[in-house]
Parts: sequence; C-alpha cells; structure tokens
Amino acid sequence: EIVLTQSPGTLSLSPGERATLSCRASQSVSSRYLAWYQQKPGQAPRLLIYAASSRATGIPDRFSGSGSGTDFTLTISRLEPEDFAVYYCQQYGGSPPMYTFGQGTKLEIK
Amino acid sequence: QVQLQESGPGLVKPSETLSLTCTVSGGSISTYYWSWIRQPPGKGLEWIGYLYYSGTTIYNPSLKSRVTISVDTSKNQISLKLSSVTAADTAVYYCARGAQQLALDYWGQGTLVTVSS
Repeated sequence: EIVLTQSPGTLSLSPGERATLSCRASQSVSSRYLAWYQQKPGQAPRLLIYAASSRATGIPDRFSGSGSGTDFTLTISRLEPEDFAVYYCQQYGGSPPMYTFGQGTKLEIK
Repeated sequence: QVQLQESGPGLVKPSETLSLTCTVSGGSISTYYWSWIRQPPGKGLEWIGYLYYSGTTIYNPSLKSRVTISVDTSKNQISLKLSSVTAADTAVYYCARGAQQLALDYWGQGTLVTVSS
C-alpha cells in the first residue's frame, strides 16, 4: 500500500497570504493519479486538482498543483476567507491498485 | 448536473451487516468508476472500494473480506454491504464518481452510520 504523508498537519495563515501544502508518497506515484480535495466542516470533499496539476471544473486559478514521483505540492496563491478548510491529497495505484488518502492538512485563519 | 444521494439505516447493531445505496441522478452510471469512501467522526478519509459500471470491483485489502459493492443499472444505483460491523465502522459513508484519471469529481453529501447496540 502506498502511504501519503501530508505536511504540515496544521497551517495558520492570514487572508491574502500564500499557502503551500505538501504531500509525500512512500513510493513513486503516477502523476496521472494524484489529486487534491478540499473539505469544509459538515460537507463532502470537493475535487480541486487532478493529474497532479489540472484544475477541476470551476476551481479558481489561485489553486495550483505541482510535483512528481514522491513529492507533490498544492499552492494557494492568495488566500480567500473561504479557503480555510482541510485539504487531502489522494493517489490511485500500487499493488494491488487502490486509492489512498493523506491524513489531511488543516488550513486555519491566523 | 450529476447528483449522488446515499441512503440507508443510520444505526446498525454490532455483528450485523451495514447496507447503503447510492442513487445517481442527472447522469448515467455507464463508463465511470463508483467508489465508497468513509470518514470516522473527526478523522480522515478511507477508501472502501469501487465498482466499474460493467461490474468489475476492487476493494481495499483491509476490508475486502467484509465488503460487497454491486450495481443496479436499471435504477442507477450502487450498493454497499459491509458485514460483521463493529464500533470501528462508525463513520460518515460517501459514494463518489471516479472520472478523469480516476479523480473523484462528484460526491454524495454522506450519511452517518453508527454501530451500536
């Protein structure tokens, strides 16, 4: 099983600042199958980024994804009040193939 | 607009079988992968398994012995059965659609299932 480790666990920033969230895999992951989600309290996760760097439909361009191999990054260029939430990375692959999620990064208002 | 809606009992007794249904509206089940994911209260996301519309299934190895996912294409529904439940299976259960690069682009709102006597 491929384990995804997200850092930091909690990130405290102010609106307007830049956020950088990290996702590290225990073994190489295909960029095709690396995604990022946002989850707000009481809501289902929402797809932000798929294939490591492609924005999902309707996602603002302040969200961007990058990385390859075992290291991936989600960047939010200028934080808006509605961006404070928990973010998860997810991959599909391994042997046997399966989805795994990181443990999440909580982005909180400083 | 594709919508997913989970339904089923909110309370299940220990050792019994949890049964949930995901009804898909606004789109077809065909050509997509349909996953079940769960989230214990205050914790992260755990993938349970997926079904391809043709009937092929892949399960999380940690749950494989207890999970069955099936499809009723005539009703546009995907079902989840999890047997021999314990308190550790208490969670919000989500169904989600796997589309481009298997990313989960549509999710149901989730349903809380509590395992308790």
